[in-house]
Amino acid sequence: AQSVTQLDSQVPVFEEAPVELRCNYSSSVSVYLFWYVQYPNQGLQLLLKYLSGSTLVKGINGFEAEFNKSQTSFHLRKPSVHISDTAEYFCAVIAGNNFNKFYFGSGTKLNVKP
Amino acid sequence: DAGVIQSPRHEVTEMGQEVTLRCKPISGHDYLFWYRQTMMRGLELLIYFNNNVPIDDSGMPEDRFSAKMPNASFSTLKIQPSEPRDSAVYFCASSLSLQGVNEQFFGPGTRLTVL
Repeated sequence: AQSVTQLDSQVPVFEEAPVELRCNYSSSVSVYLFWYVQYPNQGLQLLLKYLSGSTLVKGINGFEAEFNKSQTSFHLRKPSVHISDTAEYFCAVIAGNNFNKFYFGSGTKLNVKP
Repeated sequence: DAGVIQSPRHEVTEMGQEVTLRCKPISGHDYLFWYRQTMMRGLELLIYFNNNVPIDDSGMPEDRFSAKMPNASFSTLKIQPSEPRDSAVYFCASSLSLQGVNEQFFGPGTRLTVL
């Protein structure tokens, strides 16, 4: 069975500081990994995705993530956050052949303080 | 394109009442998904359609929930009768059926409160 674990439910950070949001997955088959962002009172937007190729993936708004197969992780990073990055971030996985079935993590709320 | 459209944005109802949530997918998208988001359970896939046909409804919690897609531009999620534990944010998403993995585009959600 596939599952996604986001270890931190909330991450407070000061503006311009770096941040890492952690995501681990469990799957016995090949995986495709995503990070979505949800701003207050809005739907989810795709931030970045890993399908194949380079394990370092760059997304919108200066975010990047690295796929680490040996550690089954796909952590999200940003070297310098802004107040506008305050949102909830969801890691998601597709595993196997059903490309339409996303499994989402429980989300991490990033709170950027001035 | 206006994106995925959901209505209403907020719904407050009393226990036992019927609730209907509506979704208009992005034009040309042939997959449509219904999700439920709660603090306790996070984001759960309830059901998804391909070309208006339900493909996987294994996430639908019980018989009180039903979903339909009468045409390519409209879907409904109905709860009858509603219960307080159904209170959640319900999202609709759509995607294209290109080869391989396709991004899902989410609507703004409907916040349902059952009193």
